[in-house]
Amino acid sequence: QKEVEQDPGPLSVPEGAIVSLNCTYSNSAFQYFMWYRQYSRKGPELLMYTYSSGNKEDGRFTAQVDKSSKYISLFIRDSQPSDSATYLCAMSVYSGGGADGLTFGKGTHLIIQP
Amino acid sequence: DTAVSQTPKYLVTQMGNDKSIKCEQNLGHDTMYWYKQDSKKFLKIMFSYNNKELIINETVPNRFSPKSPDKAHLNLHINSLELGDSAVYFCASSHSLDTINQPQHFGDGTRLSIL
Repeated sequence: QKEVEQDPGPLSVPEGAIVSLNCTYSNSAFQYFMWYRQYSRKGPELLMYTYSSGNKEDGRFTAQVDKSSKYISLFIRDSQPSDSATYLCAMSVYSGGGADGLTFGKGTHLIIQP
Repeated sequence: DTAVSQTPKYLVTQMGNDKSIKCEQNLGHDTMYWYKQDSKKFLKIMFSYNNKELIINETVPNRFSPKSPDKAHLNLHINSLELGDSAVYFCASSHSLDTINQPQHFGDGTRLSIL
């Protein structure tokens, strides 16, 4: 079993829909949870960064962490075609990545249809 | 200004050759990383450097050697390239190993193809 599980998709939704992306993990030592967005032929770009359980909102994006269930989510409201990308969840024991770096999910390929 | 920059963006070479990939960050970060993204898009840590000291080496073959001339640069040298080395290599940096609210920033990757 991989440390971080993420459905690779593709996930295709119409413009304006609410998108839900999820990851599960097995290592209970993870405390810092991130969502990165990666466009084709580009590096991962940080979207959301959260510590421990709870919700965090930034514009159209909401990140949720449920440490008891080892489950994290990213919600995108009013989705736009420009949101089409691969979304990677990442997590670490230490805030900067620490000695172990970040552990990534495989990424979900999201397509927003105009 | 690009925060984390890698060169070259594309690298096509033959099996058995030796090549280097360069990475520079202008964020003043103390810690830098190399990740490998394979054909299935799975990103996996290879090395991290903190203040020019190697912190981890995640079971990477010793044909791969990171070299850091100063804390703003972390280069990746690969000897005797093999077909399985074909991947996208990403450099990243963070403020330090453990600072609150200071996540990693990534470069745009170097696409290595072995013929």
